[in-house]
Amino acid sequence: KQEVTQIPAALSVPEGENLVLNCSFTDSAIYNLQWFRQDPGKGLTSLLLIQSSQREQTSGRLNASLDKSSGRSTLYIAASQPGDSATYLCAGTNAGGTSYGKLTFGQGTILTVHP
Amino acid sequence: ETGVTQTPRHLVMGMTNKKSLKCEQHLGHNAMYWYKQSAKKPLELMFVYNFKEQTENNSVPSRFSPECPNSSHLFLHLHTLQPEDSALYLCASSQDERRDTDTQYFGPGTRLTVL
Repeated sequence: KQEVTQIPAALSVPEGENLVLNCSFTDSAIYNLQWFRQDPGKGLTSLLLIQSSQREQTSGRLNASLDKSSGRSTLYIAASQPGDSATYLCAGTNAGGTSYGKLTFGQGTILTVHP
Repeated sequence: ETGVTQTPRHLVMGMTNKKSLKCEQHLGHNAMYWYKQSAKKPLELMFVYNFKEQTENNSVPSRFSPECPNSSHLFLHLHTLQPEDSALYLCASSQDERRDTDTQYFGPGTRLTVL
């Protein structure tokens, strides 16, 4: 059974810092890897989707990479801002079958960016 | 109204009550999902429907009964719940769970408290 671990569980940084969030999974047969953001009391917002044939994706100040051989993904946030404060979740889909919607989530990293 | 909506946003019920959660998506998607988010546990997939057919039941107790009358609506019927069922219940949708390029769009969730 796929298990996803996120480190650190919580992170507090001053505004302007570059930071890295880590995600590791136990089964290297992962297919897609996604990063989501969740604001308090709200649903999830998709940030980046790394497809099976890709190794990284970029959107603005965000860059996510995927290394299947080591079972790891990282989310890099450049020049952090207070508005980046949220819980960041990674989730993977396993290979095999025809369903790509069955996501396995990590527990999340709570990020606080203070002015 | 756009996106994925969920009602009610908050629900308090006794263990002998029967209630239903409703999810509606306005994105023209064909796949819908129920997730459970408990404190200090990873987000957990409960059910998946693709084109109104249930494609996943993640060993969910029978006191949770999903219903998908059409591709735009998803219900979760609740009866004789336990206090440990208290959680945030999230609904999501995607174009088609068989497409590996899809991301899921989440609603804001229903905060359920079982007394």
